[in-house]
Amino acid sequence: KQEVTQIPAALSVPEGENLVLNCSFTDSAIYNLQWFRQDPGKGLTSLLLIQSSQREQTSGRLNASLDKSSGRSTLYIAASQPGDSATYLCAVRGSGNTPLVFGKGTRLSVIA
Amino acid sequence: DGGITQSPKYLFRKEGQNVTLSCEQNLNHDAMYWYRQDPGQGLRLIYYSQIVNDFQKGDIAEGYSVSREKKESFPLTVTSAQKNPTAFYLCASRGGQSSYEQYFGPGTRLTVT
Repeated sequence: KQEVTQIPAALSVPEGENLVLNCSFTDSAIYNLQWFRQDPGKGLTSLLLIQSSQREQTSGRLNASLDKSSGRSTLYIAASQPGDSATYLCAVRGSGNTPLVFGKGTRLSVIA
Repeated sequence: DGGITQSPKYLFRKEGQNVTLSCEQNLNHDAMYWYRQDPGQGLRLIYYSQIVNDFQKGDIAEGYSVSREKKESFPLTVTSAQKNPTAFYLCASRGGQSSYEQYFGPGTRLTVT
């Protein structure tokens, strides 16, 4: 059974710092991996989707990488801002028709 | 605007009552999902549907029921058999055409007293 782990559970950084969030998964046979952001009391917002054949995806200050063979993904946030404070969740899909399996998330606080 | 709507945002019920949470999408997605989120537990899958008139149990289906009579709609009923129904409920849908990107609604917070 696929398991997704995100470490650390919480992270606090000063504004302007570059940071990396980690995601690991136990079964490397994935279809894709998706990173989400969740603000308190809100739904999840999709940030980046990486297909299994891709190594990375970029959107603005965000860059997500995927190393399928080692079961790892990272989300790199450049020049962090207080508005980046949120919980970031990683999820993997085993095949096109199977549900996403989620990690428990990393709660990020960016201090001004 | 394309998206997923959930109503209401907050819902209060007395113990022993069934309650139905609404989820509607205009993204033309085939697959839809219901999740429950509790503090410290992460997201847990309740039910999902890949196509109209078909649905599958997720990890925590006991005490819940769903229907999928229309592509756009996937309502979730929390029955009186659900022992601890107070939670934040999230609906999602998944795109096709090989990307399979998943999108979420804004959520419904259910409080049962």
